[in-house]
Amino acid sequence: GQQVKQSSPSLTVQEGGILILNCDYENDMFDYFAWYKKYPDNSPTLLISVRSNVDKREDGRFTVFLNKSGKHFSLHITASQPEDTAVYLCAAGENQGGSAKLIFGEGTKLTVSS
Amino acid sequence: DMKVTQMPRYLIKRMGENVLLECGQDMSHETMYWYRQDPGLGLQLIYISYDVDSNSEGDIPKGYRVSRKKREHFSLILDSAKTNQTSVYFCASSLSSGRSAETLYFGSGTRLTVL
Repeated sequence: GQQVKQSSPSLTVQEGGILILNCDYENDMFDYFAWYKKYPDNSPTLLISVRSNVDKREDGRFTVFLNKSGKHFSLHITASQPEDTAVYLCAAGENQGGSAKLIFGEGTKLTVSS
Repeated sequence: DMKVTQMPRYLIKRMGENVLLECGQDMSHETMYWYRQDPGLGLQLIYISYDVDSNSEGDIPKGYRVSRKKREHFSLILDSAKTNQTSVYFCASSLSSGRSAETLYFGSGTRLTVL
């Protein structure tokens, strides 16, 4: 089964709005969580990541919230801009004494309309 | 300039032909990966390589093999390609001290079509 799942295949938001992308995972051993951004015909690039010793990490307009008991993490984007239009991939992996394997979700296609 | 380079960018092959996808990185990263991306499935891990000649199966290794003879170079081989291997293939690398999950740096992808 899919170890990392993104519930929304696509999402549309108006420019300037706030949006939340969600990701659920199954493996209790995961302790590294990340969001990657991918433009069409381009490679995924890391947007923001967090380790399990914190439940929130903020970087400008982007914030990751981690809920370990619920096996859920989310990406909040504020003041959304047309250039945020992309596919967002969540990923999770083991950080301590585990594997370098990073498992990705299916992706959420975000469209920011102006 | 830190880079992961994939060749070729586009490739069309016939069913049953052999396929070689090449990947190089100039960051002296220990760990390298091959993923494929299909609509609705995200990125699926095919193989992971922890260093030269230290390769491990990912989640979907069937139909693929890999070769890593130099740290900076990681190849994906399809012996007798099948139409269901039509996909976009991404190579990635990470610094990976101690085999922990870290930032992945991706190549630009190879769009493979098997007719």
